[in-house]
Formats: sequence, structure tokens, C-alpha cells
Amino acid sequence: NAGVTQTPKFRILKIGQSMTLQCAQDMNHNYMYWYRQDPGMGLKLIYYSVGAGITDKGEVPNGYNVSRSTTEDFPLRLELAAPSQTSVYFCASRSTGGEATTGELFFGEGSRLTVL
Amino acid sequence: AQSVTQLDSQVPVFEEAPVELRCNYSSSVSVYLFWYVQYPNQGLQLLLKYLSGSTLVKGINGFEAEFNKSQTSFHLRKPSVHISDTAEYFCAVGLINAGKSTFGDGTTLTVKP
Repeated sequence: NAGVTQTPKFRILKIGQSMTLQCAQDMNHNYMYWYRQDPGMGLKLIYYSVGAGITDKGEVPNGYNVSRSTTEDFPLRLELAAPSQTSVYFCASRSTGGEATTGELFFGEGSRLTVL
Repeated sequence: AQSVTQLDSQVPVFEEAPVELRCNYSSSVSVYLFWYVQYPNQGLQLLLKYLSGSTLVKGINGFEAEFNKSQTSFHLRKPSVHISDTAEYFCAVGLINAGKSTFGDGTTLTVKP
């Protein structure tokens, strides 16, 4: 299994440009998440989804949008990039329901975004 | 709502010394507790977790943690660290069948020769 796959790994954007960070998981997990990690600030939740067609805001959603048309994919869109969005972005997923649920998050390797 | 406080932002330690990384949490309901490790330029991976039962849980790479309900703590320990343990460590709480997990700000463990 590939687990959680994020693309691209690195990207440089100019202020005002738009882009989409891709995230795919092959574990049939219902829950998926986008976090950003800034130095010394831990992980902040941007958006999350509890299943296809259902998304909700996290702590820091401003400047981002998400969609969840399939169980496998959860792309994150930046519409008008700003220097404050320079960060490392992590996608994660977890299973839900039943005794097999442990609440453990499975993370991708991250996408490092720089906005200049 | 839940919150997580990692009491030390940086912990320097010499190789083969013991280490403890401290984590306190707050929650009005029962939670699951986790420690994740992040090696440089990598994603997070699970180190260990507490779901129920024995309050002492063992994880990968010789780490263990003890759940203390009265003190709402979940401190991570290792009796003898290696250079390869140098990494960022995150404490987290989660609710079963609930959407969000809450992470602490992380503790940077630096193991020196």
C-alpha cells in the first residue's frame, strides 16, 4: 500500500498565483485532513472531511478551499497565494467505526510551499 | 474542546542518557492519546498510543509513555537515547468517531554525542 500520497513535494509560487495541493489515500479511510506546519508552531488544522461530499473548516481555513468528490482524494486549493501561506502542508487520513478504529492518523510526507 | 500542552519546546540530551518529554492535556470527555515522531524532512509517524487498559504503553524504538488520568498527563520516556532519536515529537489527543485531533506544539529532541 502507498498510504497517503501528496504532490508536489516542493513548490514556489508568486504572490497572487493559485495552485492545488493533491492528496490521495488508498486505505479506504473516511476521514481526511489538511494541516499546515510552521516552525515552532506545531500542526494547525486547515480543513477536514468525514466522507465524500462533506467538508468542514478547521482552525485556519482562510485563504484555502477543499473538495472531496471521492473517498480517495482530498485536494487543497490556494486561490491567491500570500507570503503568510509559506509553510509545510501535511495531508492525513484515519479510519472510522468499529473496534478497529484507533484514531491513529496516517500522514503524507508533506508539501513544502514557498510564496515570494 | 480539547487542548494539549507540551511543556518543553526543546530538550537537549547526551547519547545514552534517559529522557522524558512532557505532555499535559485537557478534555471534558475521555480521549485517546498519541505520540508521533517527525524525522527531518519527513511526515509524522505514530510512536505509540493509549486507548484504554494498562496505563503504561510501549511503542517503537524503545519509547514508552504513561497515562496519568488524575494529572491529565501522558509523558514520553526512553531510558537510553541514541543519536538517531533526534527528531520532533508531537503529543496529540483524539476522540473516537469524532472529526478532529488536537496536537501540541512539539518538542525538539536533540541527542548529542
